[in-house]
Amino acid sequence: SQTIHQWPATLVQPVGSPLSLECTVEGTSNPNLYWYRQAAGRGLQLLFYSVGIGQISSEVPQNLSASRPQDRQFILSSKKLLLSDSGFYLCAWAGTRNQPQHFGDGTRLSIL
Amino acid sequence: EDQVTQSPEALRLQEGESSSLNCSYTVSGLRGLFWYRQDPGKGPEFLFTLYSAGEEKEKERLKATLTKKESFLHITAPKPEDSATYLCAVQARNDYKLSFGAGTTVTVRA
Repeated sequence: SQTIHQWPATLVQPVGSPLSLECTVEGTSNPNLYWYRQAAGRGLQLLFYSVGIGQISSEVPQNLSASRPQDRQFILSSKKLLLSDSGFYLCAWAGTRNQPQHFGDGTRLSIL
Repeated sequence: EDQVTQSPEALRLQEGESSSLNCSYTVSGLRGLFWYRQDPGKGPEFLFTLYSAGEEKEKERLKATLTKKESFLHITAPKPEDSATYLCAVQARNDYKLSFGAGTTVTVRA
C-alpha cells in the first residue's frame, strides 16, 4: 500500500531564515505531488504541484519554491521566511490527475 | 474562479442525533467533488468522490449526496469518534488543484 511521509511535524523558525520541508511517497511510482497550505479558519490552498521529476507548477506567487529531485520526493523551500509564511503545510499525492489526492500529516510552521 | 462554501462552521451533536453538513459550490465544469475528514493536527483523510448530480456514496454512518449546486454529508446516529472537521473540495475538469471549503467542525457528545 502507498504511504506518504512529511517531516518535520513542527518547526519554529526566525524571520529571514531559510526553510526546507520534505515529503516522500512510498508504494507507487510517478505520482502527482502537491503542496498545500492551510490557514486557520480557511480552506487549503494549493501552492505547487508536480507531474514528474523536475516539473513544478506554481499556483500562487509567493516567497516559497518547490523542487522534485527524485520521483517520489517533493521539497518545499524558502531562502528567507516571512511572518506571513506561518501555517500548516500539507503534502499530497495522487496516482493521476483524475484520482483522489491523499495527504500526509503536515508540518506546523511558526515564524517568530 | 472555483468557490466552495461549507455550513455550518461548527456543529455540536448528541450521540445518536443525526444531522447534515452542506457544501455549496461553483465550478466551471465539475470533474469531481470530494469529502475529507480531518482530525486535529493531522492531514485530511479521503472519504468520498462524487462525479455527477444524483450520485450517492456511503461509508459506515456517513452518506454523501450531490446536486448541481451543492453536496450534503449526512451523519446517521453519530458516535463520539465521528468528531472531526469535515472538508469539501471540488476539482474542475482539466485542472490539477482541489479548491477547498473552510470545513465544518463536528463535535459529538456521549
